[in-house]
Amino acid sequence: DADVTQTPRNRITKTGKRIMLECSQTKGHDRMYWYRQDPGLGLRLIYYSFDVKDINKGEISDGYSVSRQAQAKFSLSLESAIPNQTALYFCATSRGSSGSGTGELFFGEGSRLTVL
Amino acid sequence: AQSVTQLDSQVPVFEEAPVELWCNYSSSVSVYLFWYVQYPNQGLQLLLKYLSGSTLVKGINGFEAEFNKSQTSFHLRKPSVHISDTAEYFCAVSDDDSGYALNFGKGTSLLVTP
Repeated sequence: DADVTQTPRNRITKTGKRIMLECSQTKGHDRMYWYRQDPGLGLRLIYYSFDVKDINKGEISDGYSVSRQAQAKFSLSLESAIPNQTALYFCATSRGSSGSGTGELFFGEGSRLTVL
Repeated sequence: AQSVTQLDSQVPVFEEAPVELWCNYSSSVSVYLFWYVQYPNQGLQLLLKYLSGSTLVKGINGFEAEFNKSQTSFHLRKPSVHISDTAEYFCAVSDDDSGYALNFGKGTSLLVTP
């Protein structure tokens, strides 16, 4: 089984619909992240969470919200989906800093979202 | 915050030829550098990382990279590529000030042909 699991893996929806992407991890990591990948743009950070009570906006948080339900679960919501949110979304985890601060990430396999 | 530049969006190369993928980062007192690979229809996996110490870093699948502080570079190399190396390669950076997350380059698509 994957250490970082994303559901759904593929989703097609319509403009204006609310969508939730879920992420769960068995790595025991404190930190979780949501990235968005678009062709030619690399990965851009949407939100990140250092622990259950700490959630922060990333580079492109507008139109998105997140919930850290537990250490192992971090969900991403699109409140009212629009076509330019069509992308591949990745959840990732990393260890707490504990002085390391290295940022090595462990990724899920991605959730492909299409907004019509 | 740190940023990464990968100038080449696509690199075509013949099988068994050497390859070098370029990565430059914005300067900082101390940085941590990573190369990730994404095979078609898969997530990203770590190829190698530089945290400190030796500037020549060896990773999986025969890849290596050299940290060059004076040139703010972390180029990825492989002496002889295989068809199976066809993938997207991402350079990423973090530092002590932005240790919360990695900043990624836009990626380089490596296409290996016979």
